[in-house]
Amino acid sequence: EVQLVESGGDLVQPGGSLRLSCAASGFTFSSYSMNWVRQAPGKGLEWLSYIGRGAATIYYADSVRGRFTASRDDARNLLFLHMNSLRADDTAVYYCAKDSGSAADHWGQGTLVTVSS
Amino acid sequence: DTRLTQSPSTLSAAVGDRVTITCRASQIISNWVAWYQQKPGKAPKLLIYQVSNLASGVPSRFSGSGSGTEFTLAISDLQPDDFATYYCQQYNSFSLFTFGPGTTVHLK
Repeated sequence: EVQLVESGGDLVQPGGSLRLSCAASGFTFSSYSMNWVRQAPGKGLEWLSYIGRGAATIYYADSVRGRFTASRDDARNLLFLHMNSLRADDTAVYYCAKDSGSAADHWGQGTLVTVSS
Repeated sequence: DTRLTQSPSTLSAAVGDRVTITCRASQIISNWVAWYQQKPGKAPKLLIYQVSNLASGVPSRFSGSGSGTEFTLAISDLQPDDFATYYCQQYNSFSLFTFGPGTTVHLK
């Protein structure tokens, strides 16, 4: 069974940094691209980042490019999102999602990031 | 960049109804269109991929269709478990996702 478990969400001050993790199991992690998607309170889904197999290709949404960095550790089946220069509008539930090649076919339960002083 | 709109934004329906949700793109897009269901406090769940393919375990009352700039999610014989928010999503050749704003299906 595919499982994705995010962690690392926290309350952080504006301008601060945070690293989110996503632990994957139940599939050959290294063979799949992965995505980060977030959802602000009461809002819709916003795609943030795509990281291909072996991290050979990484893409970002304009809203986070230059502030967020996606990475992966295939030896430990972990996906990361390093977030810097956090702003109030980064407050959201952050999901990792497995990429099927044309959609996100499995999602984690999400981790909440709150940016506030 | 391609933008997706969904109509209606909210929909009231009764158990047993057939409902359709439309997703329109700002330009002709590929057939890499997916639909997700999300319930409050839960992660999205993939329903349909590549316009009309049912994801694993999804009931056959869900169906997808469309091409070009207009795509549709239909739910026949609406069940109590189907009251949720639905998002369309486009996946482009640069492996980038774009989500629609969502359609919430309420109990009438």
